[in-house]
Amino acid sequence: DAEITQSPRHKITETGRQVTLACHQTWNHNNMFWYRQDLGHGLRLIHYSYGVHDTNKGEVSDGYSVSRSNTEDLPLTLESAASSQTSVYFCASSDRRTYEQFFGPGTRLTVL
Amino acid sequence: SQQGEEDPQALSIQEGENATMNCSYKTSINNLQWYRQNSGRGLVHLILIRSNEREKHSGRLRVTLDTSKKSSSLLITASRAADTASYFCATVGNYGQNFVFGPGTRLSVLP
Repeated sequence: DAEITQSPRHKITETGRQVTLACHQTWNHNNMFWYRQDLGHGLRLIHYSYGVHDTNKGEVSDGYSVSRSNTEDLPLTLESAASSQTSVYFCASSDRRTYEQFFGPGTRLTVL
Repeated sequence: SQQGEEDPQALSIQEGENATMNCSYKTSINNLQWYRQNSGRGLVHLILIRSNEREKHSGRLRVTLDTSKKSSSLLITASRAADTASYFCATVGNYGQNFVFGPGTRLSVLP
């Protein structure tokens, strides 16, 4: 069965370190998205991609970067982790025709 | 600013009752979607309604869309304890972009 996976599921890091969160989907979807979820804010879009080598900034992109070298993967990098980036991060993918998004299980990141 | 805003923020009902959640948005849309999130899990797609549709059903779910008022409602009939979750609306812009989620409604169904 097709799926979308994220790794790691939990991560603790220190302020200033570079962190990369992985997202891998086997739906063969063109569209991929990264969100963060914090209490009181719902989901906020960080970056998204509509295909290989395409990346776009979302609502809260400062301090984050992504690259899309193939259809299956969209890794999210925190260049220099800050305590404000402590959050739960969700990756999602969608077919460009249906718009329905399929979500990964999430990564809980703690920045100390 | 957020496109979708759910109302109420939290809702507590007895098993068997109906639950209604509302979503308001600000700009024109291609479609509106409802998602469910169980505690500690990712979101799961429930239903999509296009801007030219007014009502849609899926099992115990009924969704309405009023584009003149820029609002949608999700009705869950005959609720069950297993329906306890957070429910989010998400709007998609006219060209498939700007996928924006609201802050969600936390539904508790008491047995």
